[in-house]
Amino acid sequence: QKEVEQDPGPLSVPEGAIVSLNCTYSNSAFQYFMWYRQYSRKGPELLMYTYSSGNKEDGRFTAQVDKSSKYISLFIRDSQPSDSATYLCAMNQGSNYQLIWGAGTKLIIKP
Amino acid sequence: EAGVTQSPTHLIKTRGQQATLRCSPISGHTSVYWYQQALGLGLQFLLWYDEGEERNRGNFPPRFSGRQFPNYSSELNVNALELEDSALYLCASSLGLGQQPQHFGDGTRLSIL
Repeated sequence: QKEVEQDPGPLSVPEGAIVSLNCTYSNSAFQYFMWYRQYSRKGPELLMYTYSSGNKEDGRFTAQVDKSSKYISLFIRDSQPSDSATYLCAMNQGSNYQLIWGAGTKLIIKP
Repeated sequence: EAGVTQSPTHLIKTRGQQATLRCSPISGHTSVYWYQQALGLGLQFLLWYDEGEERNRGNFPPRFSGRQFPNYSSELNVNALELEDSALYLCASSLGLGQQPQHFGDGTRLSIL
């Protein structure tokens, strides 16, 4: 079993829909959680960075962490075709610990 | 603020050759990470350098090596290239001692013929 599980998709939704992307993990020591967006032939771009449990909002993006369920989510409101990309989750216990990555979910927003 | 820069953008080699990839971190960042991303696959951790020292290494053979220079830039060397080494090689940087988050460059695409 992988430490971090993420559905590879593809996930196809119509423009304007609310998108929910998820990762589950097995290590209860994880405290730092990140979401990255990667366009084709580009490097991953940091979208959200959260510590411990709770929600964090930035524009159309909301990151949610539920440590009791070992489950993190990224919500995208009013999705746009430009949001079409692969979304990667990553997490670790803190400094000096290797970042553990999900496999990435490919998201397609249809105009 | 300049982001992480990698060179070259694309590198074409033949089997058995050696490749050198370069990375300049964000100013003020002392940790540099290298990842391999094969086509359609996730990020595979290769190496982590901080303050000139190798701090951690992923599950890759010794022909993958690197170093970090006093100005915190880094080099990844791949010897005896094999066809399966064809991939996007990504460099990321962060504040010292592996503090998160990591910020990425756009990678070097290594093609082995």
